[in-house]
Amino acid sequence: GQQLNQSPQSMFIQEGEDVSMNCTSSSIFNTWLWYKQDPGEGPVLLIALYKAGELTSNGRLTAQFGITRKDSFLNISASIPSDVGIYFCAGPRYSNYQLIWGAGTKLIIKP
Amino acid sequence: DGGITQSPKYLFRKEGQNVTLSCEQNLNHDAMYWYRQDPGQGLRLIYYSQIVNDFQKGDIAEGYSVSREKKESFPLTVTSAQKNPTAFYLCASLAGGYRAGELFFGEGSRLTVL
Repeated sequence: GQQLNQSPQSMFIQEGEDVSMNCTSSSIFNTWLWYKQDPGEGPVLLIALYKAGELTSNGRLTAQFGITRKDSFLNISASIPSDVGIYFCAGPRYSNYQLIWGAGTKLIIKP
Repeated sequence: DGGITQSPKYLFRKEGQNVTLSCEQNLNHDAMYWYRQDPGQGLRLIYYSQIVNDFQKGDIAEGYSVSREKKESFPLTVTSAQKNPTAFYLCASLAGGYRAGELFFGEGSRLTVL
């Protein structure tokens, strides 16, 4: 069945560093979504991608919809302490009413 | 402000007890969802409802039940049949239109079985 593989599983970074993470699948997706979850909270949508090759920015965040439609990338530039949390990729499964989720990339900033 | 309200935020239950988690939204969204989150895993779908008085099982519906009597409300009952209920539960609703998956989430309810 459909699966989303996110990597890395976790990242330890210094404040000010750039961050890259990705999400891959053996299946084609028509939509890629990136969410962020702060500790003890629900996820919040960061960026939605609807077209292969699309590159979209939201402040210091940039996400790309892979040209093969089987992957997506999220970059964070000049990380700050409030960037800590878990980043999830997700895509629709069967219909727009259901999503399949990656396991998440946990971002931790070194003191 | 519009949003999704989950309650309680923390809940402790003894084995064998049923518990009900509340989810209310004032976003006027038709579709609502319940997810379960365990450490190191993605979100797993328990139940979802596209419209009032209708709901469908997700991937892990066993041991859970829901109702959708009002558009604003989608309560989840964790029954004694759920073998491992300790988890973080998230309720969400879906913005309308053709665009997939732009879910709005509540703050979650953490259930611990003692």
